[in-house]
Amino acid sequence: QQQVKQSPQSLIVQKGGISIINCAYENTAFDYFPWYQQFPGKGPALLIAIRPDVSEKKEGRFTISFNKSAKQFSLHIMDSQPGDSATYFCAASMGSYTGANSKLTFGKGITLSVRP
Amino acid sequence: DSGVTQTPKHLITATGQRVTLRCSPRSGDLSVYWYQQSLDQGLQFLIQYYNGEERAKGNILERFSAQQFPDLHSELNLSSLELGDSALYFCASSITGVEQFFGPGTRLTVL
Repeated sequence: QQQVKQSPQSLIVQKGGISIINCAYENTAFDYFPWYQQFPGKGPALLIAIRPDVSEKKEGRFTISFNKSAKQFSLHIMDSQPGDSATYFCAASMGSYTGANSKLTFGKGITLSVRP
Repeated sequence: DSGVTQTPKHLITATGQRVTLRCSPRSGDLSVYWYQQSLDQGLQFLIQYYNGEERAKGNILERFSAQQFPDLHSELNLSSLELGDSALYFCASSITGVEQFFGPGTRLTVL
């Protein structure tokens, strides 16, 4: 049973366009939802994260939208650049307010290619 | 650079052997997490330590074990290695138990 599902599996976007990656989760006990960016040969890097008490969070060109009733959240990358080409993982964990049960459950990842 | 260091970067060994992967967390981080990344399974949580004590376990094989030392560095021991253990192994650390910062990983190849 896959608790966190990402879509699409891959994405190709033109430079300057908007990249949208979706994630759905099943466990309503999840209360922390980060996005990680991974370049080949590197470890995942924390990009942006959200808790379910807000519906949107923006940091620079990156925005998370969160829909608690639908159990979905998405990553929007505005003005996509070739340097954004990487693998993106959504994840979820529980106990974000206590630090307990903090293991991350990851989606399968999606490869984003931004064409110049 | 996340501040988390892992050694070695690459490890090539044979089936049946035992290896040790090392992780040094960011300064001040008490929690260390180990994850395995493979093409078929993706990123999977293995085990968590907090200030020297095991805090949580995922789908970690009995052939695998870990520990966290008083200086907070952690080691992941993999024994009786099989071809299917070939993967990237990441450690992550956290001070809050929420935001996790990943190291560069160790690529293990079992021949």
